[in-house]
Amino acid sequence: EDQVTQSPEALRLQEGESSSLNCSYTVSGLRGLFWYRQDPGKGPEFLFTLYSAGEEKEKERLKATLTKKESFLHITAPKPEDSATYLCAVGYTGGFKTIFGAGTRLFVKA
Amino acid sequence: DVKVTQSSRYLVKRTGEKVFLECVQDMDHENMFWYRQDPGLGLRLIYFSYDVKMKEKGDIPEGYSVSREKKERFSLILESASTNQTSMYLCKSFDSSSYEQYFGPGTRLTVT
Repeated sequence: EDQVTQSPEALRLQEGESSSLNCSYTVSGLRGLFWYRQDPGKGPEFLFTLYSAGEEKEKERLKATLTKKESFLHITAPKPEDSATYLCAVGYTGGFKTIFGAGTRLFVKA
Repeated sequence: DVKVTQSSRYLVKRTGEKVFLECVQDMDHENMFWYRQDPGLGLRLIYFSYDVKMKEKGDIPEGYSVSREKKERFSLILESASTNQTSMYLCKSFDSSSYEQYFGPGTRLTVT
């Protein structure tokens, strides 16, 4: 069964305390793995697309990596404004359908 | 810098009413999607469209229909609203060559 699982469900960090969020997936024919940030009451904001194992993308304090079975979103020296829910999704063959993970809620305390 | 807009941020409707949610994008993307987001269930695809007048069912199309008469506009229709359709509805615009994608701000629909 095609599936996307994110862990942990919630993560509490002190400002400056680096950590990683995990997204594991089982789909056939991966077309792309997507990371988003979602603030409460708003639509998700697209962050990255990763296409193949070994690929890395960076944006400010965020760095996304991809293997054949999982992706990591590394957050370096987070700030309180990085607090949000981070969503992972995979696009797979058969169309432009995507499967979303349930998200990781990140809280960064000053 | 507006990219994807949705017709309402909040909407309250009664059971049995016909509900129209509209999404407009200004990026000339071919592909547009409607999702609903519920606590504990994540985002689930209702319908998507890859061209004008073209549509495909997503994972949970029951109770919904869509219309795409113009490239920039994708409408979601609840034929007869029910309480289990209370949710956050999100529209997405997607470019299949660059994978550039944008979500709208969402419509929080409450059906009483």
